[in-house]
Amino acid sequence: KAGVTQTPRYLIKTRGQQVTLSCSPISGHRSVSWYQQTPGQGLQFLFEYFSETQRNKGNFPGRFSGRQFSNSRSEMNVSTLELGDSALYLCASSLGGLGNEQFFGPGTRLTVL
Amino acid sequence: AQSVAQPEDQVNVAEGNPLTVKCTYSVSGNPYLFWYVQYPNRGLQFLLKYITGDNLVKGSYGFEAEFNKSQTSFHLKKPSALVSDSALYFCAVRGDYGQNFVFGPGTRLSVLP
Repeated sequence: KAGVTQTPRYLIKTRGQQVTLSCSPISGHRSVSWYQQTPGQGLQFLFEYFSETQRNKGNFPGRFSGRQFSNSRSEMNVSTLELGDSALYLCASSLGGLGNEQFFGPGTRLTVL
Repeated sequence: AQSVAQPEDQVNVAEGNPLTVKCTYSVSGNPYLFWYVQYPNRGLQFLLKYITGDNLVKGSYGFEAEFNKSQTSFHLKKPSALVSDSALYFCAVRGDYGQNFVFGPGTRLSVLP
């Protein structure tokens, strides 16, 4: 099976712009979660989608949003980018059960100038 | 609220010696516990999990972890460390009330030849 894929792998944006990141989960996985990873804050949970519904949400401002499509692919959007949004954004997919492990993609490295 | 602590930022061990990476957690309900490893410039890879049953769980690459309910710990262990085990290790927890995953801050393991 193909793993979790994320596009693009690298992005450079300027403050105030918006960005959309894409994630394709492993075939058959219905849950997709997004995380922000930074050296100072570690791995922070953004949100989780399951069957097109947001199941959990982390403590991020409303500038961060996401959605999931009927084929389980997911996108996250960040509007009005700030310098502090520079991070590695990781997507993870799972079958969706509470005890199911997540499988991570390689991440999208976002740099905000 | 859920939380995960990894009390050591860095663990150094000589090749061939046993290694332990510590993790303690706090969660509402019964815990589902996971260990992941991250190599440079890559996403996280699943190592092992505890759902229920045997307190000692075995995972990939010779790693194992022991669940201790009274101490709310889930320490990662390996009997004989390899230089290739050098990486960043994350402990994660999820409660059985449907909460999101919470990751610890990570522990950098260095195995010295």
